[in-house]
Amino acid sequence: ETGVTQTPRHLVMGMTNKKSLKCEQHLGHNAMYWYKQSAKKPLELMFVYNFKEQTENNSVPSRFSPECPNSSHLFLHLHTLQPEDSALYLCASSQDTTGPSSGANVLTFGAGSRLTVL
Amino acid sequence: GDSVTQMEGPVTLSEEAFLTINCTYTATGYPSLFWYVQYPGEGLQLLLKATKADDKGSNKGFEATYRKETTSFHLEKGSVQVSDSAVYFCALFSKDSSYKLIFGSGTRLLVRP
Repeated sequence: ETGVTQTPRHLVMGMTNKKSLKCEQHLGHNAMYWYKQSAKKPLELMFVYNFKEQTENNSVPSRFSPECPNSSHLFLHLHTLQPEDSALYLCASSQDTTGPSSGANVLTFGAGSRLTVL
Repeated sequence: GDSVTQMEGPVTLSEEAFLTINCTYTATGYPSLFWYVQYPGEGLQLLLKATKADDKGSNKGFEATYRKETTSFHLEKGSVQVSDSAVYFCALFSKDSSYKLIFGSGTRLLVRP
């Protein structure tokens, strides 16, 4: 497989459940990102990992817990979510986090995991 | 802080019509600018980019010119197709926002046969 793969594509969970979203990239990138996409709102950056180290937590509630065991895998652990957390969660990767001005550091996105919290 | 403003959609056009989706930005310094496209059921894909003033990004018949004087990066296509129906996102990256890619809220385009 190539590109960025996210599983599951769809997830329905209750507010007391614990679930995880998985992201895997086969591009040899060193940086990985979680974004939240809600209807009629700009994409919200949640977390950034660079060389497995978390470099950004954009004031995300603790009910979202990221994990990056290696540069190819990124998880988002979910527990005691709220209905307003229902959204499309997008994973992305890039060469690193020095920025895309060089032309090589463009973000590649996965297809997303559609989360519904009941 | 840095921000991107896009025209609200949806934009509905007939096939072969001319497309313009407006994008303006606010940023300190000299950002790089991007257009991403999201087809139904898929993630975002880079459509085109421009890294300095007066650069023109182009891909698949789409074009956008980096206009520093008007802080704009409008997306244009001369003749749209039904397959262009998607959501289009304008985005910027600047040194002052570190590695954060700042996105607009997206503009949905619907092309009718």
